[in-house]
Amino acid sequence: GAVVSQHPSRVICKSGTSVKIECRSLDFQATTMFWYRQFPKQSLMLMATSNEGSKATYEQGVEKDKFLINHASLTLSTLTVTSAHPEDSSFYICSARRTSGGETQYFGPGTRLLVL
Amino acid sequence: AQTVTQSQPEMSVQEAETVTLSCTYDTSENNYYLFWYKQPPSRQMILVIRQEAYKQQNATENRFSVNFQKAAKSFSLKISDSQLGDTAMYFCAFRGLNDMRFGAGTRLTVKP
Repeated sequence: GAVVSQHPSRVICKSGTSVKIECRSLDFQATTMFWYRQFPKQSLMLMATSNEGSKATYEQGVEKDKFLINHASLTLSTLTVTSAHPEDSSFYICSARRTSGGETQYFGPGTRLLVL
Repeated sequence: AQTVTQSQPEMSVQEAETVTLSCTYDTSENNYYLFWYKQPPSRQMILVIRQEAYKQQNATENRFSVNFQKAAKSFSLKISDSQLGDTAMYFCAFRGLNDMRFGAGTRLTVKP
């Protein structure tokens, strides 16, 4: 199967600090990874598309300077929430698509962020 | 822009019975993919079934099958012999040339 991991699974931080979330494809290479945000009882909202070796593509309304994305290798993408505020508290989910083809996206288990 | 609509916020079904979840979408693309994902309380997104738009045959995966009507832009999910473990949020998703878009979800409860 295709496994995607996320770390940490949950994090609590103080307002003003930065938090980094890692997303790894464990058994396949992923040129493209996606970052989603999910509010309670709502659907997934695409934040940005992360491309290995190039800049991420952000959705309208998502601040690229606040949500920094780095896709340094074919198996790792990171999302850094800079100067976090309570309104950034949410559930963040990454997903990855195989470099070798196929249109299915495989999802990580998500990271619950709570900013105090 | 593609939109995905799930008109049933909540549904329930008795164990062992059959239930159908609705999904419609809007797109101007001809080649695309459709998916149903399940999100149980653990919040891990799990792929249930996928359908390529160029295939006329409806996809099936064990107890899960779809009714894909391309002209009507409809993609419903049928769950047969419902099990308690099927209780979850179900999201319909569309993937065209670019990224994947999700519907608002349907919360399915399987009752014993």
